[in-house]
Amino acid sequence: EVQLLESGGGFVEPGGSLRLSCAASGFDFSRFAMHWVRQAPGKGPEWVSTISGKGDNSYYGDSVRGRFKVSRDNSKNTVFLEMNSLGAADTAVYYCAKDFPPDITVAGIFDYWGQGTHVTVSS
Amino acid sequence: DIQMTQSPSSLSASVGDRVTITCQASRDIRKSLNWYQQKPGQAPKLLIRVASTLTTGVPSRFSGSGSGTDFTFTIANLQPEDIATYYCQQYDNFLFTFGQGTTLEIK
Repeated sequence: EVQLLESGGGFVEPGGSLRLSCAASGFDFSRFAMHWVRQAPGKGPEWVSTISGKGDNSYYGDSVRGRFKVSRDNSKNTVFLEMNSLGAADTAVYYCAKDFPPDITVAGIFDYWGQGTHVTVSS
Repeated sequence: DIQMTQSPSSLSASVGDRVTITCQASRDIRKSLNWYQQKPGQAPKLLIRVASTLTTGVPSRFSGSGSGTDFTFTIANLQPEDIATYYCQQYDNFLFTFGQGTTLEIK
């Protein structure tokens, strides 16, 4: 059974940083790209970032490019999101999601999602 | 960037009704379009990928169609458990965008 468990969310002041983690199990992790998607309160999902299965390609949405960095440790089946220069607009539930199908750089089909971790940016 | 225009933003229908949601892309995305269901307090769930392929385990009353810029999502024979918000999502050239969502209510 595919499981994705996010952690690392919390309260942070404007300008601060956080590092989110997503621990994966139940599939051959290194064969799949992984995504981060966020959802602000009362809003629809917003794609944040994607990293290829080998970790050699990464992509970012316009609103986070230059501030966020995605990485992964395939030996630990974990993907990370390093978030810097946080502002109120970054307040959201952050989900990690698995890509489908395997063995391609990125497909863009989010077939499994974690339950999310809350990030609140406030003074 | 590709913009997705989803309509309607909300919809009220009766059990047993046929419900249709549309999504329009700002340019041709071939069949690079997925549909998700999100219930309150839960993560989105993939229902349909590549415009019309039903995810394993999803009831056959859900269906999708379209290509290019115009896409349709249909629920035939609406059930009470279908109350949720539905989102389209395009995937093109390593940039992914979601529609604004359609919130479905039962009359």
